[in-house]
Amino acid sequence: GDSVTQMEGPVTLSEEAFLTINCTYTATGYPSLFWYVQYPGEGLQLLLKATKADDKGSNKGFEATYRKETTSFHLEKGSVQVSDSAVYFCALSDRGTYKYIFGTGTRLKVLA
Amino acid sequence: EAQVTQNPRYLITVTGKKLTVTCSQNMNHEYMSWYRQDPGLGLRQIYYSMNVEVTDKGDVPEGYKVSRKEKRNFPLILESPSPNQTSLYFCASSPNDRSSPLHFGNGTRLTVT
Repeated sequence: GDSVTQMEGPVTLSEEAFLTINCTYTATGYPSLFWYVQYPGEGLQLLLKATKADDKGSNKGFEATYRKETTSFHLEKGSVQVSDSAVYFCALSDRGTYKYIFGTGTRLKVLA
Repeated sequence: EAQVTQNPRYLITVTGKKLTVTCSQNMNHEYMSWYRQDPGLGLRQIYYSMNVEVTDKGDVPEGYKVSRKEKRNFPLILESPSPNQTSLYFCASSPNDRSSPLHFGNGTRLTVT
């Protein structure tokens, strides 16, 4: 079945460092891909999405590119801030079954 | 304001005492779903509904029931809660177009003793 694998955390970075959180997926067909962010005590919020191969999603300085050939959707940010500290989830939606599949989440901690 | 509202935010109960967690959305979304979040396991889907009176099992449906009598509401029912259902629960909704993201509620932290 479909699955999403993302790097385990926690990831600890200094402010202004470069961030990469790896995400790979397995799916039949062509899923839509998402990154969600979860701040403490809150629900998940959409960070960015991409719906077809080579699409780049971007928001708040974060970017991710839908790579069909490597089945990846890695999250990047050039310069992280303390306020980016949160848990990040990679997810896909299966267009055949309406299922949304989530990775296990990666906790990011940014130190001032 | 467009939102998904879950209640209660926190709930402590005892084994076997039936409970209901409510979920309501004001975005006229057709798709609604329940997830549980556990450390190291991410989010796992419990049940989902593609429209009124249409519900289906997700990956971990055992011990849970749902109903979808109206478009806006999708309650989660635990008929006889057990300690292994202690978790953080999220309700989410989406338009039924498969490329739209989910909109999440703020979660319900359930403890079953």
